Amino acid sequence: ILNVEQSPQSLHVQEGDSTNFTCSFPSSNFYALHWYRWETAKSPEALFVMTLNGDEKKKGRISATLNTKEGYSYLYIKGSQPEDSATYLCAFRSGGYQKVTFGTGTKLQVIP
Amino acid sequence: NAGVTQTPKFQVLKTGQSMTLQCAQDMNHEYMSWYRQDPGMGLRLIHYSVGAGITDQGEVPNGYNVSRSTTEDFPLRLLSAAPSQTSVYFCASSYSWEETQYFGPGTRLLVL
Repeated sequence: ILNVEQSPQSLHVQEGDSTNFTCSFPSSNFYALHWYRWETAKSPEALFVMTLNGDEKKKGRISATLNTKEGYSYLYIKGSQPEDSATYLCAFRSGGYQKVTFGTGTKLQVIP
Repeated sequence: NAGVTQTPKFQVLKTGQSMTLQCAQDMNHEYMSWYRQDPGMGLRLIHYSVGAGITDQGEVPNGYNVSRSTTEDFPLRLLSAAPSQTSVYFCASSYSWEETQYFGPGTRLLVL
């Protein structure tokens, strides 16, 4: 069982604030890191797939970076809006290993 | 495309009963997987399949069986339900094991 950790566990921010959270994963045998957005009462939806050290991805106000050598990825949200309220999950895949390991998620609440 | 569908949406079982959670996808995805989601635990992989006729165990397989007779369907069987299997179950699929997964709407199971 691979150890994938996310921090913080939960976060409350004011509308308009920028925020970021972390996904930590094993630094050896890296294959890919996925980020998902999971709204309450819905299913997880894909945000990014990151495969190369130094990768940066952006989708609107949300961006992510990847450091495979030290085993972490950051997710940033610029100018948070109430509709950004969700749980953000990362999922780690190691090379030659067909399973994916999810972190426990960061629950973001944006207060209007 | 319907995407990934799951039935039922909600089920109540008594301890010892058996049942099958259905999962189907119409995207011709080879990779399918079952997760359970429990508070504070994130998504944990139960079983997965890389194609018709091929299945393997995930992180928490005990008490569950799967089969993959067609590309489209990946049912999860509870052989003898236990209260510890009370959870929300998600089915997911992707083109291959490396790709981002698409999730179904979930099945909420209560075992009394």
